[in-house]
Amino acid sequence: GENVEQHPSTLSVQEGDSAVIKCTYSDSASNYFPWYKQELGKGPQLIIDIRSNVGEKKDQRIAVTLNKTAKHFSLHITETQPEDSAVYFCAASNYNQGGKLIFGQGTELSVKP
Amino acid sequence: GAVVSQHPSRVICKSGTSVKIECRSLDFQATTMFWYRQFPKQSLMLMATSNEGSKATYEQGVEKDKFLINHASLTLSTLTVTSAHPEDSSFYICSARDIEGVNQPQHFGDGTRLSIL
Repeated sequence: GENVEQHPSTLSVQEGDSAVIKCTYSDSASNYFPWYKQELGKGPQLIIDIRSNVGEKKDQRIAVTLNKTAKHFSLHITETQPEDSAVYFCAASNYNQGGKLIFGQGTELSVKP
Repeated sequence: GAVVSQHPSRVICKSGTSVKIECRSLDFQATTMFWYRQFPKQSLMLMATSNEGSKATYEQGVEKDKFLINHASLTLSTLTVTSAHPEDSSFYICSARDIEGVNQPQHFGDGTRLSIL
């Protein structure tokens, strides 16, 4: 089955700097890759997603890149702000096989003012 | 849009009690909902997939008689933890996927923190 590895587990940056979180997946049939932000005591919130027919997607300060050959995808946050501090999860799924999400281990991002 | 409401947000009860958690999609219909469990500082682990009008599909190692799932309508799925014990204490989170298809994103509720004394 699918396995998703996420790095780093913790990341601390200064306000205004960029943050990059990386994930690798094992199943080449996976075709959907969402990223979620989880604040303390709350459920995950979808912040951006990418499908396997696209190499890059951007939404304001957030971007995701996908390398299908290497089976890895990354989240890029530019101009970080203290409110970006949270735990970020990547996930992979194959919507031709029911679309179950397999999550990475999570990255705790801390943005220092 | 795509709001998922989960209730209650917190439950504290005695060992042996059964606890029901509701998951509702407020502004969309969901043929499929998912139930996850999350321990502190860990990732989300899928427990089961809930399909409207049919039996839930449980992940390996999840006891279906312990965690009863009912998905009676396109906007409501319930998870009942039967005869809960302290080891069942955890953060339970549901997600819902729009009826439009399996390529739609999953939207999550805000979770239920279950504490069994």
